[in-house]
Amino acid sequence: AQTVTQSQPEMSVQEAETVTLSCTYDTSESNYYLFWYKQPPSRQMILVIRQEAYKQQNATENRFSVNFQKAAKSFSLKISDSQLGDTAMYFCAFPAQGGKLIFGQGTELSVKP
Amino acid sequence: GAVVSQHPSWVICKSGTSVKIECRSLDFQATTMFWYRQFPKQSLMLMATSNEGSKATYEQGVEKDKFLINHASLTLSTLTVTSAHPEDSSFYICSARGVADGLYEQYFGPGTRLTVT
Repeated sequence: AQTVTQSQPEMSVQEAETVTLSCTYDTSESNYYLFWYKQPPSRQMILVIRQEAYKQQNATENRFSVNFQKAAKSFSLKISDSQLGDTAMYFCAFPAQGGKLIFGQGTELSVKP
Repeated sequence: GAVVSQHPSWVICKSGTSVKIECRSLDFQATTMFWYRQFPKQSLMLMATSNEGSKATYEQGVEKDKFLINHASLTLSTLTVTSAHPEDSSFYICSARGVADGLYEQYFGPGTRLTVT
């Protein structure tokens, strides 16, 4: 069975600095997607970034980038130049059979001024 | 962009009554919709997968007679919490899977906060 693990329940970072959120997963599949979602205080789920497992190049979206290590089954999210609006819960997610998403436990990120 | 709406956004009901939550994909067709439940400071837990025109598939431990799901069209799925009890108080989130803006992925609704008194 696929599992997703986020081992950092809470993190904080100073505004304008860089922070990395960790995620590990377990699957027997060889081709798959991985996602990072953001859930701000409004609780609306927002897709931050996606990574395709067959692509060796790490995905980037503006200030957000991933470090995808397929062999280690690791998928971390790096946020550069942190902004106050980045304060949110962040979930790593893996799509299982039928398209349903399996979410990690979440990391609560606080960006401090 | 792809928009998924939920109605109501917040509902309070008395113990023993039923409440219906609607999930709509506004600008794309969703062959599959998912219903999640989220307690404060916790992750999203999948309750069921809803496919248009067929019975929903429930995750282990979810009572299908208590959480009735109907996916009557390609743009609407409903979750009915029957005989609600205080322990059913939670945040319910739906997502819709389809093609929007040229991308086939899952789009989330804003969630519904249910409080059972």
